[in-house]
Amino acid sequence: EPEVTQTPSHQVTQMGQEVILRCVPISNHLYFYWYRQILGQKVEFLVSFYNNEISEKSEIFDDQFSVERPDGSNFTLKIRSTKLEDSAMYFCASSEQQTSYGYTFGSGTRLTVV
Amino acid sequence: GESVGLHLPTLSVQEGDNSIINCAYSNSASDYFIWYKQESGKGPQFIIDIRSNMDKRQGQRVTVLLNKTVKHLSLQIAATQPGDSAVYFCAENSGYSTLTFGKGTMLLVSP
Repeated sequence: EPEVTQTPSHQVTQMGQEVILRCVPISNHLYFYWYRQILGQKVEFLVSFYNNEISEKSEIFDDQFSVERPDGSNFTLKIRSTKLEDSAMYFCASSEQQTSYGYTFGSGTRLTVV
Repeated sequence: GESVGLHLPTLSVQEGDNSIINCAYSNSASDYFIWYKQESGKGPQFIIDIRSNMDKRQGQRVTVLLNKTVKHLSLQIAATQPGDSAVYFCAENSGYSTLTFGKGTMLLVSP
């Protein structure tokens, strides 16, 4: 069964540092997403991406966040200057169509900012 | 705004029992709903979905019920097994392809 792959599984970084979280979506999917989940809380939408541009973004996705599809297989989330409150699980997802039907989530990257 | 804390509602059942997990959604314009299962350290895993033109949908051992009048969604798991222990989230389609997740319910199944 096709999977969304995320690396690393756990990232520890110092406050103020830049981090890049990486995702390899399912190969025939065209729509890509990042969600995050602060420990013990619900999963929250960050951003959706299609055709090399952002389709939608939430209030959480401020100027310190950016996304990129640097090549034909990777989809990255960059946090420019991490804050303690950025500590969370970050989930990448992809879908074949522009609909939440058929979303597949990756296993996530646990980001810990110290 | 809505407050969320570190403590999830928890449903504890015995193996073999039927489980019912409830969810209240927020947007009356949502037209698609999904139940996800999340095991510790993993991403949300699709269980079953339902569109707003339906009020019931059945899968293997799972049934989703939708009551649009009161904006309520439920997940029924028949003959619950220890492997069903996880956190269960409902999610609603709230715009294009964006999902809005509920708070989650922890299901604990005792052998």
